[in-house]
Amino acid sequence: GDSVTQMEGPVTLSEEAFLTINCTYTATGYPSLFWYVQYPGEGLQLLLKATKADDKGSNKGFEATYRKETTSFHLEKGSVQVSDSAVYFCALGSGQAGTALIFGKGTTLSVSS
Amino acid sequence: DTAVSQTPKYLVTQMGNDKSIKCEQNLGHDTMYWYKQDSKKFLKIMFSYNNKELIINETVPNRFSPKSPDKAHLNLHINSLELGDSAVYFCASSQEGTGRAGYTFGSGTRLTVV
Repeated sequence: GDSVTQMEGPVTLSEEAFLTINCTYTATGYPSLFWYVQYPGEGLQLLLKATKADDKGSNKGFEATYRKETTSFHLEKGSVQVSDSAVYFCALGSGQAGTALIFGKGTTLSVSS
Repeated sequence: DTAVSQTPKYLVTQMGNDKSIKCEQNLGHDTMYWYKQDSKKFLKIMFSYNNKELIINETVPNRFSPKSPDKAHLNLHINSLELGDSAVYFCASSQEGTGRAGYTFGSGTRLTVV
């Protein structure tokens, strides 16, 4: 079945460092891909998404490109801030009726000043 | 205006009790979901409803029973609570049931069974 694998954390960075969180997927069809962010004590918020190969999703300085050839959707940000400290989830939507979003295990990011 | 709202936010109860968590969405979405997040932050789908019809029913103990009185509401009732039920439960909604458009999540209900 479909699945998502993302790098395990925690990831610890200093403010203004470059961030990459790796995400790869397996899917039989043409899924949509998402990054969600969960701040402490809160629910999940959609950070960005891409619905087809070569699409680039971007929001709040974060970017991810849907790479079909490498089945990847890595999250990047050029300069992280303390306020970016959160748990980041990569997710896959198969596009098939009767299915639910499949999430990776989450990566905890901690940014210090 | 909260798009997906869950109540209560925190729930502490004793083993063996029965409790309910309520969820309401004002987005006009057709599909609603319950997810369970364990202590390691892993998210697992439990149920989904599309316009009051049960669509997804994952391997969940039958002590858990979802109820959808209308397409804007999806409640979760749990009988005979056990220690292992302690988790954060998230409600979510989507415009359609394929996952392509992504979901809007509520802020979660932290259930602690003692």
